[in-house]
Amino acid sequence: GAVVSQHPSWVICKSGTSVKIECRSLDFQATTMFWYRQFPKQSLMLMATSNEGSKATYEQGVEKDKFLINHASLTLSTLTVTSAHPEDSSFYICSAGSTSGVDEQYFGPGTRLTVT
Amino acid sequence: TQLLEQSPQFLSIQEGENLTVYCNSSSVFSSLQWYRQEPGEGPVLLVTVVTGGEVKKLKRLTFQFGDARKDSSLHITAAQPGDTGLYLCAGAKGSEKLVFGKGTKLTVNP
Repeated sequence: GAVVSQHPSWVICKSGTSVKIECRSLDFQATTMFWYRQFPKQSLMLMATSNEGSKATYEQGVEKDKFLINHASLTLSTLTVTSAHPEDSSFYICSAGSTSGVDEQYFGPGTRLTVT
Repeated sequence: TQLLEQSPQFLSIQEGENLTVYCNSSSVFSSLQWYRQEPGEGPVLLVTVVTGGEVKKLKRLTFQFGDARKDSSLHITAAQPGDTGLYLCAGAKGSEKLVFGKGTKLTVNP
């Protein structure tokens, strides 16, 4: 149990275009989902926390208009990188929690975004 | 300021050796988790420790939570090449966000 999927697993896009990444909890309902970014050889940095049916809470320094997060159902959250630039290239990982606490988080396999 | 300090940052050992990875902080956490991440994949939860002084064992892996709930250690006995990966500790403070350490990159050579 507690499986989280992400799609796509990797994507290459041109500078200026937008990319949508999906995160799904396959066998449980996720009241809270988290989006992280991980640069090479670095740890996970939390970008935002979203609760189903409400607006996402963004971490300091993360542009909410650039990284649009939607958590419209208990099994799906999406991250849209708008007007992507090469510096947005990174490994994006989502996690889902089955409760409102942060302890029980299950991570997706990640999405490798490359902006050319 | 890094809230969770992990050491060592890199560790390369031979198969069969034992090792310990440390996760330290000046802050108290309500719980602490250890994950292993392989290249190109998401972190996989290994264990969650909640009680100060708690010791949990997962086959050849032993996890300990400090009495003051500020630090933790991961000990691997008789390491195998399959143990190779990035080991991340993460701390939670109640319902606040999960904070990750920078990780320890372990390589076990056959």
